[in-house]
Amino acid sequence: AQSVTQLDSQVPVFEEAPVELRCNYSSSVSVYLFWYVQYPNQGLQLLLKYLSGSTLVESINGFEAEFNKSQTSFHLRKPSVHISDTAEYFCAVSEKTAGNKLTFGGGTRVLVKP
Amino acid sequence: EPEVTQTPSHQVTQMGQEVILRCVPISNHLYFYWYRQILGQKVEFLVSFYNNEISEKSEIFDDQFSVERPDGSNFTLKIRSTKLEDSAMYFCASSEYSPLHFGNGTRLTVT
Repeated sequence: AQSVTQLDSQVPVFEEAPVELRCNYSSSVSVYLFWYVQYPNQGLQLLLKYLSGSTLVESINGFEAEFNKSQTSFHLRKPSVHISDTAEYFCAVSEKTAGNKLTFGGGTRVLVKP
Repeated sequence: EPEVTQTPSHQVTQMGQEVILRCVPISNHLYFYWYRQILGQKVEFLVSFYNNEISEKSEIFDDQFSVERPDGSNFTLKIRSTKLEDSAMYFCASSEYSPLHFGNGTRLTVT
């Protein structure tokens, strides 16, 4: 069974400042890794994913995450946040088997202040 | 881009009543899921469905819950006799393989 830990439940950050959201996972098998974002009163949207290949993955809106196998981490970063990045961010893993059930972390609420 | 759609967006029901939450997955997807998120808590897996049967379910998914794919497009979650603690946001998801695509959720309020 896999598990996901997001160490920070809330991260306040000023607009245009950098942000890092930490995610660590544990699993006995190889995994796929994901970040989902949930804007206020909305559903879960895929932000980015790591399936294979380059360990650094990027989203279209400036976020990036790096898969670190030795540290079992998949931290999410953005060098300069906008007010519109205020949301809850969920790290998730799935085992590399058919079905791809996701296990989510507890989420990190990012509040961007002007 | 194709979307997973869920109806209704908000459902209020009395304790003990049956509710059916509806989902239309993306049309070429083969795997279907239900998750729930109790207010302020993490997103929890309920059940996955593949090839017209449940492929995996969590401890939460007890005998009060059932899923069905009644036709080629809909995927439903039924709660037979709702309890106060069933109040949550329920998300449907579908996938061809990976990643999962989620709907906007149904907020279920049990009074």
